[in-house]
Amino acid sequence: DSGVTQTPKHLITATGQRVTLRCSPRSGDLSVYWYQQSLDQGLQFLIQYYNGEERAKGNILERFSAQQFPDLHSELNLSSLELGDSALYFCASSAGQGLDSPLHFGNGTRLTVT
Amino acid sequence: GNSVTQMEGPVTLSEEAFLTINCTYTATGYPSLFWYVQYPGEGLQLLLKATKADDKGSNKGFEATYRKETTSFHLEKGSVQVSDSAVYFCALNRNYGGSQGNLIFGKGTKLSVKP
Repeated sequence: DSGVTQTPKHLITATGQRVTLRCSPRSGDLSVYWYQQSLDQGLQFLIQYYNGEERAKGNILERFSAQQFPDLHSELNLSSLELGDSALYFCASSAGQGLDSPLHFGNGTRLTVT
Repeated sequence: GNSVTQMEGPVTLSEEAFLTINCTYTATGYPSLFWYVQYPGEGLQLLLKATKADDKGSNKGFEATYRKETTSFHLEKGSVQVSDSAVYFCALNRNYGGSQGNLIFGKGTKLSVKP
């Protein structure tokens, strides 16, 4: 058990809809990262927050947004969903930001857009 | 740009066989290199890492050496077990700003070990 909790585990929704994925980091971890895993694109970094502030941005679409709250949990919002957004979304956390702070991944939220 | 290429799977081995999963990378600057493992139904776990050329990362019998001259970071294990069955991901992070989060992953190699 990595200590990172993601909810829900599975989500099925229709095109055009909006969903929110939630992540609770390991106790004490200040950094939260979001990744998307799909069959064609593999694992792609979306965005990172550190202690409530956005720190790094990857291949995140404009239809997607995220935030980290004062209690350090994070939410990833996906809107105007398309079939291609179907994927496994992982949250990871780390204590700091440096290379000595390994990432701990949650078990992911599987999103299916129909 | 930065990228990671690893051998396509699936790889099927018998228990106690020798394992090699090839990984090569393209990067500007001096990346750090990682191997992550994903067991069925779980998230990724860091297996080992190397932060500079000629470093050897090792963990749980697995090892990989950072070879700058061949831009490679091949994963090896001398004797695999059924419990090693998982998907293995090679990844890199440029040493820019120190953030490990912006990892670039390979496509993953699925390993199945038969008893």
